[in-house]
Amino acid sequence: QITLKESGPTLVKPTQTLTLSCTFSGFSLRTRGVGVGWIRQPPGKALEWLALIYWDDDKRYSPSLRSRLTITKDTSKNQVVLTMTNMGPVDRATYYCARLYYFDSGGHSRAFDIWGQGTMLTVSS
Amino acid sequence: SSELTQDPAVSVASGQTVRITCQGDSLRNYYANWYQQKPGQAPVLVIYGKNNRPSGIPDRFSASSSGNTASLTITGAQAEDEADYYCHSRDSSASHLVFGGGTRLTVL
Repeated sequence: QITLKESGPTLVKPTQTLTLSCTFSGFSLRTRGVGVGWIRQPPGKALEWLALIYWDDDKRYSPSLRSRLTITKDTSKNQVVLTMTNMGPVDRATYYCARLYYFDSGGHSRAFDIWGQGTMLTVSS
Repeated sequence: SSELTQDPAVSVASGQTVRITCQGDSLRNYYANWYQQKPGQAPVLVIYGKNNRPSGIPDRFSASSSGNTASLTITGAQAEDEADYYCHSRDSSASHLVFGGGTRLTVL
């Protein structure tokens, strides 16, 4: 069974740095065709992709948030960590991590097939 | 703003067929994936690639694509299909990912 679970603070102050962890089981980030991504969703709003790390340590970031994000992985711990700097009230959202899976060998068909339950974050002083 | 555009809301009578669309230039080159999200829950993948359903997804869900538009079709919509639906693909650069703005489906 494949599971992912987000962990981190529920409240941060403006200008602080957020660190979120995604701990997963049932798959390895050493396996070709696998990645873990972060997606957030402000209350009542749409999903927004933030960052993605692949099995080969290739990292991709949302262009609009690139300067504030860092994603890393620890394959020995089955964990992916996202840091986001200079937090503000607009960053209030539920943050999800999800597995990205290549459904074909070429990666033309890839999707977030398993999601964590999400963690709600508030930014307030 | 999203590079993938969806209608904000769609409604369908129970048992009827509904199509939810997603438009974007990147869809000329890349497949859209579709996710269903019910209130208070994480999204669930319902369609990936050209037209593939993960295990456990009913066969009333299907997908198609033409030009810059991808479509999710629910044939014989059920009350339990009432949810938000999001398309997802790569952006025009192919280097990044993007979600559509979501479509709220109401089953009447």
